Amino acid sequence: RKEVEQDPGPFNVPEGATVAFNCTYSNSASQSFFWYRQDCRKEPKLLMSVYSSGNEDGRFTAQLNRASQYISLLIRDSKLSDSATYLCVVARSWGKFQFGAGTQVVVTP
Amino acid sequence: SAVISQKPSRDICQRGTSLTIQCQVDSQVTMMFWYRQQPGQSLTLIATANQGSEATYESGFVIDKFPISRPNLTFSTLTVSNMSPEDSSIYLCSVVLAGGVETQYFGPGTRLLVL
Repeated sequence: RKEVEQDPGPFNVPEGATVAFNCTYSNSASQSFFWYRQDCRKEPKLLMSVYSSGNEDGRFTAQLNRASQYISLLIRDSKLSDSATYLCVVARSWGKFQFGAGTQVVVTP
Repeated sequence: SAVISQKPSRDICQRGTSLTIQCQVDSQVTMMFWYRQQPGQSLTLIATANQGSEATYESGFVIDKFPISRPNLTFSTLTVSNMSPEDSSIYLCSVVLAGGVETQYFGPGTRLLVL
């Protein structure tokens, strides 16, 4: 079983709609959680860290469920520019990061 | 955040040759990593580049194939040795910035095609 698993998608989302997807992790000792965004042929860029209490950054909301070992990302009022692959990243200890394979989101006009 | 540059940005190489990729960071960082991302796949950690000592390699990666240098806290190189078409990939360096929640930042990547 992979340490970090994501639904590869694609999630086809009409512009203005809301999309949400999850990422599950297998190691209960995981300490830090992140969502990264990767555009085609570009490097991953940090979208947001995920905190235990959940956190919001503009149209993006991230949640952590330690009991069920998953994190989620919700995008409200989707823009065409939100089309990308979203990578779930889990850190077990300092410097030990595990990447999910990514969830592709396609926002359509 | 950190500003990270990589050279070359892309290259096309013949099998059997070697390529050295450079990674430069605009600030001193303790932790520096090299990743590979093959087409359509996620990132795979190759090794942790340790300043002043040998790199720490992940399972499936060896020093003879991917020698790494880390002469100081702002610079590292990764060499892809004796290349084969299977080495065609994007190679990314990354750094971790500590403080609160340690966060990882990536260089722009080096796109390698081996013929």
